[in-house]
Order: sequence, then structure tokens, then C-alpha cells
Amino acid sequence: GQNIDQPTEMTATEGAIVQINCTYQTSGFNGLFWYQQHAGEAPTFLSYNVLDGLEEKGRFSSFLSRSKGYSYLLLKELQMKDSASYLCAHLDSGGYQKVTFGTGTKLQVIP
Amino acid sequence: DTAVSQTPKYLVTQMGNDKSIKCEQNLGHDTMYWYKQDSKKFLKIMFSYNNKELIINETVPNRFSPKSPDKAHLNLHINSLELGDSAVYFCASSPRQGAGEDGYTFGSGTRLTVV
Repeated sequence: GQNIDQPTEMTATEGAIVQINCTYQTSGFNGLFWYQQHAGEAPTFLSYNVLDGLEEKGRFSSFLSRSKGYSYLLLKELQMKDSASYLCAHLDSGGYQKVTFGTGTKLQVIP
Repeated sequence: DTAVSQTPKYLVTQMGNDKSIKCEQNLGHDTMYWYKQDSKKFLKIMFSYNNKELIINETVPNRFSPKSPDKAHLNLHINSLELGDSAVYFCASSPRQGAGEDGYTFGSGTRLTVV
């Protein structure tokens, strides 16, 4: 997505913590999604943030700052199966409620 | 019991042909979508239907025509296929427009290769 920025690739060690950042620009904002996509598979929903702050869901947490147009996904106790692309997406306000995806961050977890 | 199923999974066809991709969801969702994911993994909205009505049509060539016979089905027909149409096409559904805290449920994708 032209108005969503994420790092293209990241590498982290099994058992460690990794933070994947996302910045976005949009004229009307309703919320921020994170999706996980394993190679050759469909994206799966991880989280949705509307309000500022941190939302924790097991090993995964997602943070949002609306004023800064910034979000991050925090993955703790990394496992090999966490190797995947992580897609940031924003939900636009307005009648159509369009969701725009970023190009994703490919995370490689190494032993 | 697959929630969002799309067929076929793979489609190889020649330029100029016409092809269809079918999608069905058994989640009782009101809204369905077609997304295109290109070789750079950019996932771009093509169409969105809410209760069989077209809501979003994102500057897609009119060679692409979606059809929603009922809210559980959203098919995609593509006329006069071009090389640039090669991509993975994902169908998705959500309880309502925008999905919100429920997110989208995606189908497994259709990898279209035009030769």
C-alpha cells in the first residue's frame, strides 16, 4: 500500500521478542489490523486496534498511536512457526469502510 | 468444514481466454470481498459486496465482473485474460462492512497464471 510503511524483512531468534513497526497516512481512520500470512497460504486475522494503547493476546500484542499514525506488533517467545509475513492494514472511515493493506514484513525466525 | 472456500486453487490459462473463480462462505457473513495479491505480495482490494450489493469497485478493468447471486456467494469472471492478470486472488468475508474487531476470513486463494 502506498500509504502504509513497514520494513520489508526482519530476522529474529527463536525464543526472543521482535517488534514489527507500521506507519500509515490516511484522511479518515477507523482502526488498524494485523494479519499473519504464511508462504502460500491465506492471511489470518491477528488483531484490531481502534483506541490508543497496547492490546495483548497471548504471545502477540498490538499497539496503536492514532496521533502519530503508528502501530507495532510485538511477538514474544518466538517460535519457528512464527516465520511468516505480517501485514498491517488500516480501516478507513466513511461509508465504504475500505481496508487498505501494506506490503507486509517477512519475518524469519532462526534457531 | 471450510469457512470460505474458493475454487479452483490453481488456474493456468492462455492469454485471451475467459475464466471464472468461485467463492462461497458458510459463516453467515453479510460482506464479501475479492483481493488481488501480486508478486510483491501487495494485497489490493478489487470489489466488496454487502448483502449482494456492490459497495466497492476499485478501478478494476471492466474485464473483471463480480457476481453475487446471494450473500453466501461471490464469483469473479475475467474476460480476455492478460499476462498482467497473473496473481493470487483471495476471496474474503466479514460479518459486516469494514470487519472491525472480527477481521476478515480469507479463502485459501486462487493462483492464476496467464501464459
